Amino acid sequence: ELKVEQNPLFLSMQEGKNYTIYCNYSTTSDRLYWYRQDPGKSLESLFVLLSNGAVKQEGRLMASLDTKARLSTLHITAAVHDLSATYFCAVDEANRDDKIIFGKGTRLHILP
Amino acid sequence: DTEVTQTPKHLVMGMTNKKSLKCEQHMGHRAMYWYKQKAKKPPELMFVYSYEKLSINESVPSRFSPECPNSSLLNLHLHALQPEDSALYLCASSVGGWMETQYFGPGTRLLVL
Repeated sequence: ELKVEQNPLFLSMQEGKNYTIYCNYSTTSDRLYWYRQDPGKSLESLFVLLSNGAVKQEGRLMASLDTKARLSTLHITAAVHDLSATYFCAVDEANRDDKIIFGKGTRLHILP
Repeated sequence: DTEVTQTPKHLVMGMTNKKSLKCEQHMGHRAMYWYKQKAKKPPELMFVYSYEKLSINESVPSRFSPECPNSSLLNLHLHALQPEDSALYLCASSVGGWMETQYFGPGTRLLVL
């Protein structure tokens, strides 16, 4: 059974600092997704990572995927208050197009 | 038009009611999705339509019935729901492949009494 673990689950950090959110998964997969959700709002798709070694960047966020380690990271550079949100990673199980599992989410609070 | 719309925004229904949620996009996307999200929990994928063909998530009870009348429209028909089905229901679409970058609607908040 595919399991997806994010850590930390809650992170409070100062503006201007760098930090990394980790997403580990338990079985073979080469597709991983990152989403953002503001409180009380819908989801926003951030990154789609489709191969080992994939790296994508958008503004202060950078995501990477290591399929051999079954690990993805979401790195935040010089955090700003507007990045406060919950971040989810999700993994779909290899050869099962109808099964995607989300991590529990990392609630990120950036102090101004 | 780069928007996914969902109606209604809020819905309260009894356990014997039949209701439908509607999702629409006019971006020419060929994949559409329904998610369920309970409070303070991660989303759960319910259904995927890809090129108007359904991909079924095995864990979804039959009281939820999806319908894709055309490539722009996705419905979720609700019948005999339980209070534990109360949640935020999110619709999304993507260009072609079933897990490309998704564009989400604002969601429908459902309360089952």
